[in-house]
Amino acid sequence: AQKVTQAQTEISVVEKEDVTLDCVYETRDTTYYLFWYKQPPSGELVFLIRRNSFDEQNEISGRYSWNFQKSTSSFNFTITASQVVDSAVYFCALSEAGNQFYFGTGTSLTVIP
Amino acid sequence: DSGVTQTPKHLITATGQRVTLRCSPRSGDLSVYWYQQSLDQGLQFLIQYYNGEERAKGNILERFSAQQFPDLHSELNLSSLELGDSALYFCASNNTLAGGYSYNEQFFGPGTRLTVL
Repeated sequence: AQKVTQAQTEISVVEKEDVTLDCVYETRDTTYYLFWYKQPPSGELVFLIRRNSFDEQNEISGRYSWNFQKSTSSFNFTITASQVVDSAVYFCALSEAGNQFYFGTGTSLTVIP
Repeated sequence: DSGVTQTPKHLITATGQRVTLRCSPRSGDLSVYWYQQSLDQGLQFLIQYYNGEERAKGNILERFSAQQFPDLHSELNLSSLELGDSALYFCASNNTLAGGYSYNEQFFGPGTRLTVL
């Protein structure tokens, strides 16, 4: 079974629309961390956020916000007022036991001008 | 710029050959991770090294091997290459606690794109 599921393979939105990328994870650990990475067309993986399992506060950074809900094992990512530069593949990842990362299969976001 | 460097950027080779990919972690990072990203498999964890020792193993084929040197740079060796090995290979590093455990974010290099013809 997948430890990190990103059910949305591809999403297209028109510029200035809001978009939410879903991430559902699976773990039996009580201590774990969740991450989001962005992979723009240039190919590099850019770290966006880290969240630990004990902190369910939502986080906002500019146009980006993250909603962590342990009850549903979800860590969703919302981009407000999307821009063309947001076009990329976004990966959600889980780290448990301080060991390897488990990445989701990614969601490809296209923002249409 | 993440501070992680990888060489070469592109590599084209033939089936049956052997190649070596090189990675230098961020200054101060003791852990190096290798990932393979192919179109149909997503981002797959291969192996982690911590301060020269193998720390965790993922979906790494027996034809692949890695090592981390005293100066902390790492090399991923891919042998008996097959068409299906064509992929983007990433190296990542992070700040790790003693023993190689870490929940810290990993910082990724730009990747090496391997094409096997």
